[in-house]
Amino acid sequence: DIQMTQSPSSLSASVGDRVTITCRASQGISNYLGWFQQKPGEAPKSLIYGASTLQSGVPSRFSGSGSGTDFTLTISSLQPEDSATYYCRQHSTYPITFGQGTRLEI
Amino acid sequence: EVQLVESGGDLVQPGGSLRLSCVASGFTFSDHYMDWVRQAPGKGLEWVGRIRNKANSYTTEYAASVKGRFTISRDDSKNSLYLQMNSLKTEDTALYYCVRVHRYDSGHYVLDIWGQGTMLTVSS
Repeated sequence: DIQMTQSPSSLSASVGDRVTITCRASQGISNYLGWFQQKPGEAPKSLIYGASTLQSGVPSRFSGSGSGTDFTLTISSLQPEDSATYYCRQHSTYPITFGQGTRLEI
Repeated sequence: EVQLVESGGDLVQPGGSLRLSCVASGFTFSDHYMDWVRQAPGKGLEWVGRIRNKANSYTTEYAASVKGRFTISRDDSKNSLYLQMNSLKTEDTALYYCVRVHRYDSGHYVLDIWGQGTMLTVSS
């Protein structure tokens, strides 16, 4: 199975900060990577697919990059509503696997 | 409104069985692959499995942790997805989400619509 490792596991930042979350795959996955946001008590929401394509309706302050084994999710100017847990997910190979999550506190 | 509504979660003893259901509305259910994803209390997301559409022979994929114990099926005439769970273990305790898979022309599969989940507790 492909292991997805996110870092950091948690972070605290302030409104207006730029933050970056990293996701590393245990083997190459091309760009078959997505990012999800989950707020407490809610279902996850897809933010990015194909490593860098923003899902419709997602604010442009979110961006993704990477290919192969190393990927990043960047939030350019943090807003209070961005407080959530973020997950990466690979779908290059079955079984599909998620990262362990990064908890972002504003 | 595009919606997925899960049901069937319950308290079950180890070794027991349960079937979860998910009813879809607001989109052409039969066109889409569908996934189950679970989340143990206070933990991260775990993909459980997938069922493809009729055009792809309703074939399935499973996580190693559930393969041989769980079976995903669907009834397109009822816009319904199912998860039959047998030989349940305490580690299967989780909130189970029904998720729509959207396939882009680029070949990317996105989990774009999620239900609110149904809770399974496996305990004696």
